[in-house]
Amino acid sequence: NAGVMQNPRHLVRRRGQEARLRCSPMKGHSHVYWYRQLPEEGLKFMVYLQKENIIDESGMPKERFSAEFPKEGPSILRIQQVVRGDSAAYFCASSPGLGTPYEQYFGPGTRLTVT
Amino acid sequence: QQQVKQSPQSLIVQKGGISIINCAYENTAFDYFPWYQQFPGKGPALLIAIRPDVSEKKEGRFTISFNKSAKQFSLHIMDSQPGDSATYFCAASSQAGTALIFGKGTTLSVSS
Repeated sequence: NAGVMQNPRHLVRRRGQEARLRCSPMKGHSHVYWYRQLPEEGLKFMVYLQKENIIDESGMPKERFSAEFPKEGPSILRIQQVVRGDSAAYFCASSPGLGTPYEQYFGPGTRLTVT
Repeated sequence: QQQVKQSPQSLIVQKGGISIINCAYENTAFDYFPWYQQFPGKGPALLIAIRPDVSEKKEGRFTISFNKSAKQFSLHIMDSQPGDSATYFCAASSQAGTALIFGKGTTLSVSS
């Protein structure tokens, strides 16, 4: 039973470029969350999605950031015109939505470096 | 009110000792309190979680103690081992399907 998968694991972008981070939830999970972790900090919630719907984006910066979870395929976190302050580890988590809906399982993360 | 405060920031424990990490919250709507373990370069792994209807939950060497009136909960690691050296995060959420609010983490080092 594969866990949450994220790719790429490491991503280097120059300032002004776009970053696309992908997340495939655990099998049977229909809820996806994105979190950002800055060095020496805890994880900060960004967005919560179900298939084809954004449920809560209260933690998402208003500009340059967007997320989607299409009917088919992985969830995508997109960062346009990246700046150095976007350098962080981005984690995706998934939960089943039924049964044990509170439990969130995290992927290995994508470490974004903006040069 | 949405914060979860975690202490200590770092902890050094001798092998075989007890590691204790504490968290406090303000939002009385929180009803789910998990602990995550994170190794360098890895994602957080769900370790153990508790709901407010119980005061203690034990899984192997890991125990959560929960004090609803004080709005505090803690993680106890019994017989700490060098392999337990990692960063531990407490978290809280208010209902199923909502964001986890994380503490800032505790870096545990178990010396052999």
